[in-house]
Amino acid sequence: GQQLNQSPQSMFIQEGEDVSMNCTSSSIFNTWLWYKQDPGEGPVLLIALYKAGELTSNGRLTAQFGITRKDSFLNISASIPSDVGIYFCAGQLPGSNYKLTFGKGTLLTVNP
Amino acid sequence: DTAVSQTPKYLVTQMGNDKSIKCEQNLGHDTMYWYKQDSKKFLKIMFSYNNKELIINETVPNRFSPKSPDKAHLNLHINSLELGDSAVYFCASRHTGTSGRASDTQYFGPGTRLTVL
Repeated sequence: GQQLNQSPQSMFIQEGEDVSMNCTSSSIFNTWLWYKQDPGEGPVLLIALYKAGELTSNGRLTAQFGITRKDSFLNISASIPSDVGIYFCAGQLPGSNYKLTFGKGTLLTVNP
Repeated sequence: DTAVSQTPKYLVTQMGNDKSIKCEQNLGHDTMYWYKQDSKKFLKIMFSYNNKELIINETVPNRFSPKSPDKAHLNLHINSLELGDSAVYFCASRHTGTSGRASDTQYFGPGTRLTVL
């Protein structure tokens, strides 16, 4: 099946640092979504991107839809302890009936 | 509260049993999904229903049978449970619209952790 390559797999950072993670694919996607999952909870949508080149912010989070439509990145600025969790990218392929393909996640740990 | 809810939160059962997981959304969405998250946290879609009609059916054993009695509910019945069925199962919903914007967004329930012994 279609794969999204998400990196890094995990990150350990100090509170206040900036974080960057990205997803790439060999296929073109119509939509890129970034989710965060806390332990014992379902994924929660952070940012949705619908157009190539689109740059969208949500508070300290910024994400971009790559120009080639094959990649996306998520930046978190000035990290805080509650940013801890697993971050997933998800993409929707054209003609997929809105089926989302997920990356394998980035586990973020923030040391206070 | 408006949300996607699932019951039960935890389900522990013996191999060979039959069990069901229920999902309800009160967001007014017309498309619902079931995902499986394995022990490595990989999320994979299983099924999708739009207006009670099956529209996505990934390569899932036929022991898994989704049922959608109405747009707000999507239940998952699993027959003859196997050890490999142990996972967290997430329900999600989405509103289909003519625009590609907010209608693409899927909202997830809190998950059901299934443990097969």
